Amino acid sequence: DVQLVESGGGLVKPGGSLRLSCAASGFSFSTYSMYWVRQAPGRGPEWLSSISSVSTYIYYADSVQGRFTISRDNAKNSLYLQMNSLRAEDTAVYYCATPPTEIAFWGQGTLVTVSS
Amino acid sequence: EIVLTQSPGTLSLSPGERATLSCRASQSLSSNYLAWYQQRPAQAPRLLIYDASNRATGIPDRFSGSGSGADFTLTISRLEPEDFAVYYCQQYGSSPRTFGPGTKVDIK
Repeated sequence: DVQLVESGGGLVKPGGSLRLSCAASGFSFSTYSMYWVRQAPGRGPEWLSSISSVSTYIYYADSVQGRFTISRDNAKNSLYLQMNSLRAEDTAVYYCATPPTEIAFWGQGTLVTVSS
Repeated sequence: EIVLTQSPGTLSLSPGERATLSCRASQSLSSNYLAWYQQRPAQAPRLLIYDASNRATGIPDRFSGSGSGADFTLTISRLEPEDFAVYYCQQYGSSPRTFGPGTKVDIK
């Protein structure tokens, strides 16, 4: 079965850092571009970042540019999001996902809460 | 940045009825790179349609997508009870890959 499992979320103070991980299994992870998407409580999804299959192309939303860094380790079938200088407005469920093609995979998300 | 506008905000219909949802982009989309997602409460979004009109694997044929350029439509031909949810469009032709604000389909 295909699985994307996010981890690393939790409660962090404003200005703090967290590193999210996404463990992939059941598909050829190294051949897929990957996304990070977040969803704040009661709001729609917000695309944050994408990375191509061998990390050649990386893009960020303006809201996280310079604070968040996406990376991947194809040998470990893993995707990462390093989040620095966190703000209250970064509070959300964070999902890893594959881009929309014939089939797309999403994890169940990990909750990040930024609060003092 | 391409801004997506979805209408209506809420659609109140009965099971068996037809649902028509609209997504309009602030500029023409590259290669019609427009996707539709369904999200049920406490679940991750699920891809329904990619490239504006192609059903994703495993999606029932009552879901169809159409449109080109900057105007797109998701049609659900006959609503089943499990179809009452929120629907989002997303463009992925340029960065940032923006989502629309969503249309909630609820039971009338």
